[in-house]
Amino acid sequence: AQSVTQPDIHITVSEGASLELRCNYSYGATPYLFWYVQSPGQGLQLLLKYFSGDTLVQGIKGFEAEFKRSQSSFNLRKPSVHWSDAAEYFCAVVGGGSNYKLTFGKGTLLTVNP
Amino acid sequence: GAGVSQTPSNKVTEKGKYVELRCDPISGHTALYWYRQSLGQGPEFLIYFQGTGAADDSGLPNDRFFAVRPEGSVSTLKIQRTERGDSAVYLCASSLDSETDTQYFGPGTRLTVL
Repeated sequence: AQSVTQPDIHITVSEGASLELRCNYSYGATPYLFWYVQSPGQGLQLLLKYFSGDTLVQGIKGFEAEFKRSQSSFNLRKPSVHWSDAAEYFCAVVGGGSNYKLTFGKGTLLTVNP
Repeated sequence: GAGVSQTPSNKVTEKGKYVELRCDPISGHTALYWYRQSLGQGPEFLIYFQGTGAADDSGLPNDRFFAVRPEGSVSTLKIQRTERGDSAVYLCASSLDSETDTQYFGPGTRLTVL
């Protein structure tokens, strides 16, 4: 079965600094990959997704992610973080015979210092 | 337009009681999903509906959990004889049609079993 690992439970960055959140997946074939963001009291919001094609994916709110098959990674990046980006971020994968069953990592909590 | 809504937002119950959690998907979305998010974890898949039928209920933890979607729109997740371990946030998502369409999540229902 597929799995997702987010090695960093909590990351703190200063406003304006760059950000990279790590995600590694375990799956035999090319999976469908997603990044979601969850703010307190809000539902999960899709930032971006990768199905095929260009391995650098652009998303909403200035985020991007790069699929690296050789490293089984799908890291999320943003060049300049805003205070409103403080939230929990989840990487997810779909695969293993199912095109809909999202398997999530445990999440990375992002704190932004002024 | 309106997103996915879930009621109630919070539910506190006593061990052994029966609870119902409601999900209103985005209008026109034929696919509906339930996930459970325990503290410090990512969401875990429970069940997937396509129209009125449960296409995949493999994530339901045991027979105390049951979900229905009688008219292909609103869904209710039902939990019998609640246990303290059922305490979690229950998330509902919907997608337009095909299994690979983006899943849009509601804000969740926080269930606390005392």
